[in-house]
Amino acid sequence: DAGITQSPRYKITETGRQVTLMCHQTWSHSYMFWYRQDLGHGLRLIYYSAAADITDKGEVPDGYVVSRSKTENFPLTLESATRSQTSVYFCASSEDRRQPQHFGDGTRLSIL
Amino acid sequence: RKEVEQDPGPFNVPEGATVAFNCTYSNSASQSFFWYRQDCRKEPKLLMSVYSSGNEDGRFTAQVDKSSKYISLFIRDSQPSDSATYLCVVNMNYGGATNKLIFGTGTLLAVQP
Repeated sequence: DAGITQSPRYKITETGRQVTLMCHQTWSHSYMFWYRQDLGHGLRLIYYSAAADITDKGEVPDGYVVSRSKTENFPLTLESATRSQTSVYFCASSEDRRQPQHFGDGTRLSIL
Repeated sequence: RKEVEQDPGPFNVPEGATVAFNCTYSNSASQSFFWYRQDCRKEPKLLMSVYSSGNEDGRFTAQVDKSSKYISLFIRDSQPSDSATYLCVVNMNYGGATNKLIFGTGTLLAVQP
């Protein structure tokens, strides 16, 4: 039982391209989250979702789009990638907003 | 001022030492607290939840002092396999139904054999 999986694990692309990072969880958790992690900043919340069709901005949402048409999936799209979006992206899920979050193993994204 | 603050370290300790991690937070309405461990180039993993009465799991002890807004994690008899980054996490309440987990930037621990 993988729990929460992210794909791809690694991605290299060019500035201006659209990139979609996938996240899938099998726990039927209501909440799902996207974070980016950069040296000196720790984990920063990009977007989160409390349930299907409900999404909300986090700390650093600019340049990103999310959707949640199904409870188990929460894709993150960079509509026009910039070099500043080079980072490690983690997806996470939790049963409710007070419970600890469980993380996928991350996507390492490089934008050239 | 950051909502959750940790000493970034690194902490370099010999095997067998007791290690103490400290964390402060700003939101007095916070109700739940956690410690995560993150190995190099890996995802954060839940190490333990922190209860008001304190809790212990083997060599690990976690405590919270809500009056001081201070969270701690102790590792006894530290092992080289404990080497990792330890993240303090606080569930912040922003009023009503709005809660968010806020992660500290982490403290790097290196246990020397």
